[in-house]
Amino acid sequence: AQSVAQPEDQVNVAEGNPLTVKCTYSVSGNPYLFWYVQYPNRGLQFLLKYITGDNLVKGSYGFEAEFNKSQTSFHLKKPSALVSDSALYFCAPRGGGATNKLIFGTGTLLAVQP
Amino acid sequence: GAGVSQTPSNKVTEKGKYVELRCDPISGHTALYWYRQSLGQGPEFLIYFQGTGAADDSGLPNDRFFAVRPEGSVSTLKIQRTERGDSAVYLCASSIGTGFAGELFFGEGSRLTVL
Repeated sequence: AQSVAQPEDQVNVAEGNPLTVKCTYSVSGNPYLFWYVQYPNRGLQFLLKYITGDNLVKGSYGFEAEFNKSQTSFHLKKPSALVSDSALYFCAPRGGGATNKLIFGTGTLLAVQP
Repeated sequence: GAGVSQTPSNKVTEKGKYVELRCDPISGHTALYWYRQSLGQGPEFLIYFQGTGAADDSGLPNDRFFAVRPEGSVSTLKIQRTERGDSAVYLCASSIGTGFAGELFFGEGSRLTVL
């Protein structure tokens, strides 16, 4: 069965500092891993994904994520946070047999202070 | 528009009533998904379609919930005998093809409030 954990309900960071939003997952078979962002009163937007290849993947708005197979983690990172990055971030693995569904974590609220 | 379109954006109904929520996916996307998001929670999977058929409906909470996609494009989520616990934002998403690597594109959701 698939599962995902985002251990931090909220992450606070000052503008200009690096940020990390943590995610660990459990899937059977090869994992396909996604990050989505949700701004207030808006739909979910795709940020980036890991399918295969390099463990460091780059996505939209300067975000990147590092796939670590041994730790079953897929942490989201950005070298320099912006106030406009403040939003709700969801990690979503896909895998485990024939199902094509994404399973979403509970989300991490990122708050970037000016 | 080029994105996923959901109607209505807001629906207020009374307990026990019937509700339909509509999703118009991105043109050419063969896979369509319904999720439900309650306040403070992540999206919860309900059902997904490949073409006209429901490939996985394991997330539908009970038999009051039903979804169709008769022509492989527009989908309707139907909720019978609504309950207050059904109040949530219902999200629709589509993806090109049915492979595991494709990202989902989400609409802005239909907010359902059951009084």
